[in-house]
Amino acid sequence: EDKVVQSPLSLVVHEGDTVTLNCSYEVTNFRSLLWYKQEKKAPTFLFMLTSSGIEKKSGRLSSILDKKELFSILNITATQTGDSAIYLCAVEAGGGADGLTFGKGTHLIIQP
Amino acid sequence: DAGVTQSPTHLIKTRGQQVTLRCSPKSGHDTVSWYQQALGQGPQFIFQYYEEEERQRGNFPDRFSGHQFPNYSSELNVNALLLGDSALYLCASSTYGLDTQYFGPGTRLTVL
Repeated sequence: EDKVVQSPLSLVVHEGDTVTLNCSYEVTNFRSLLWYKQEKKAPTFLFMLTSSGIEKKSGRLSSILDKKELFSILNITATQTGDSAIYLCAVEAGGGADGLTFGKGTHLIIQP
Repeated sequence: DAGVTQSPTHLIKTRGQQVTLRCSPKSGHDTVSWYQQALGQGPQFIFQYYEEEERQRGNFPDRFSGHQFPNYSSELNVNALLLGDSALYLCASSTYGLDTQYFGPGTRLTVL
């Protein structure tokens, strides 16, 4: 059974801090790993990673994948209160356009 | 460009009843996936529709069924509702064969 584990499950930091969120996985026929941000309802797409060692970056957010060690990290620098959200990691496996397997998410709270 | 839309926003039902949730995919997408997200959990894959057929199914009972229409929109039907079916139901759309799924705002179902 495919499995995605995120850590920590919750994190409280102060504005301006840098945070690192972790995601490890065990899946058969790995295709891609995706990060989403969920504030109220709809998860919003952040990054998709398919190759090891390539960093995806968007502003203060960046992510990297290690296919050998089966994990990914999401970094957020110079955090702002608007970064407060649940960050979800998901993995797609299999031979085609299949369902995503999600972790439980990391609940990030940024205090002013 | 309209994103993924879902209706209704909220729904309250009683045990044993049946419910139908609706989803319209993002413009240009042909594949719809449904997820159930219980409180404090990551989304769980229910099933995926492409070309009006169920392509893949997660670990959900037959009480959960779906349909996709020629315009790519989709319905999720749940029969014989249980208290444990209370959750946020998310629809995601994508282009078949590509991994990035975009989520709608969800339908919050409460079963009393």
